[in-house]
Amino acid sequence: NAGVTQTPKFRVLKTGQSMTLLCAQDMNHEYMYWYRQDPGMGLRLIHYSVGEGTTAKGEVPDGYNVSRLKKQNFLLGLESAAPSQTSVYFCASSFSKGEKLFFGSGTQLSVL
Amino acid sequence: AQSVTQLDSHVSVSEGTPVLLRCNYSSSYSPSLFWYVQHPNKGLQLLLKYTSAATLVKGINGFEAEFKKSETSFHLTKPSAHMSDAAEYFCVVRMDSSYKLIFGSGTRLLVRP
Repeated sequence: NAGVTQTPKFRVLKTGQSMTLLCAQDMNHEYMYWYRQDPGMGLRLIHYSVGEGTTAKGEVPDGYNVSRLKKQNFLLGLESAAPSQTSVYFCASSFSKGEKLFFGSGTQLSVL
Repeated sequence: AQSVTQLDSHVSVSEGTPVLLRCNYSSSYSPSLFWYVQHPNKGLQLLLKYTSAATLVKGINGFEAEFKKSETSFHLTKPSAHMSDAAEYFCVVRMDSSYKLIFGSGTRLLVRP
């Protein structure tokens, strides 16, 4: 049972490049989330999904897009990366609203 | 509006001494409150959660937290620190009937030998 798996673990981009972060969970969870973590700011919600085929905006959605085509996968896309998007990105999932979140180990993204 | 404040960005204790990590919240509703721990280069892991049952909540690894409505606090404690407790700890409040979790800015716990 792998839990929540994020790929890649590290990535360096140049300004303007695009990339997709993949999150996969094997716990049959309905809810999935993308957070970013910046020093001294805790975690902030980017986008979330309450089920296959659904997505919704969180606190800081600008510059990001997401898709949930399959229940087990939640993709986070950056169409045109900016230095302000340098951060650590965490994916999480939960069985239901308000329940315990299970986190992946994170993706360290640097945008130069 | 809901918010959460972790009063200390860093806490340093000696191994075997008590741990106190402080958290105050602001919520218009009966909140759900959580403590998560993050070890270096790892994702967050749930330590414990409060959801309006007992005010003293016991979590994993000997941690516990007490919900005090009059003080709007949810401080995390442990009687005796272990070296493996060194990590960053996040206090989290969930807006009632919402998916949204509000994370505090974190407290880094250092445990000295």
